[in-house]
Amino acid sequence: AQSVTQLDSHVSVSEGTPVLLRCNYSSSYSPSLFWYVQHPNKGLQLLLKYTSAATLVKGINGFEAEFKKSETSFHLTKPSAHMSDAAEYFCVVQAGGTSYGKLTFGQGTILTVHP
Amino acid sequence: KAGVTQTPRYLIKTRGQQVTLSCSPISGHRSVSWYQQTPGQGLQFLFEYFSETQRNKGNFPGRFSGRQFSNSRSEMNVSTLELGDSALYLCASSFTAGTGNEQFFGPGTRLTVL
Repeated sequence: AQSVTQLDSHVSVSEGTPVLLRCNYSSSYSPSLFWYVQHPNKGLQLLLKYTSAATLVKGINGFEAEFKKSETSFHLTKPSAHMSDAAEYFCVVQAGGTSYGKLTFGQGTILTVHP
Repeated sequence: KAGVTQTPRYLIKTRGQQVTLSCSPISGHRSVSWYQQTPGQGLQFLFEYFSETQRNKGNFPGRFSGRQFSNSRSEMNVSTLELGDSALYLCASSFTAGTGNEQFFGPGTRLTVL
């Protein structure tokens, strides 16, 4: 079985300050992990993915995430928030095995960026 | 390269009716997955198809069904609609099935059941 817990349902930051969105996962197999972003009334866009290569993964728009197996975490960070980063972010696990390609989504974190 | 397209974008149906949603994957992609997004339950996996075969299915009642055609296009059908079926239905495609493959999402079909 696989599951994802996003530890914050809402995160609010000021423009230019760091962003931290927290995610813990559970998986019976070595997982692939993803972060997706969804802007209002838009589809889901892939930010980055981890598939057992480097543990620090760089994505688009300055985001990065670090895979920590001992902590079963995959937190998303960005050094400096921009107004355009305001959106909902989803941490996603893909566990393989009998789950095959199934993506299991966290409940989402809404990021608000204040000027 | 064109992205994933879904038709129609919006649908309004009444309870008891049935509905068919369509998804065209990115050219060359052979795997298509479907997800339901609601405010209460979030994003939930419906099913995954690869080479016209259903590879995986989520925990949804049998009223939800799907299929994939030889050109990789996919349809999902919901019969005997209930109010709780109101949701955004998202289709995603990937080059192949299995883990580690990026899934590219379409804009979704918003279904409203009255």
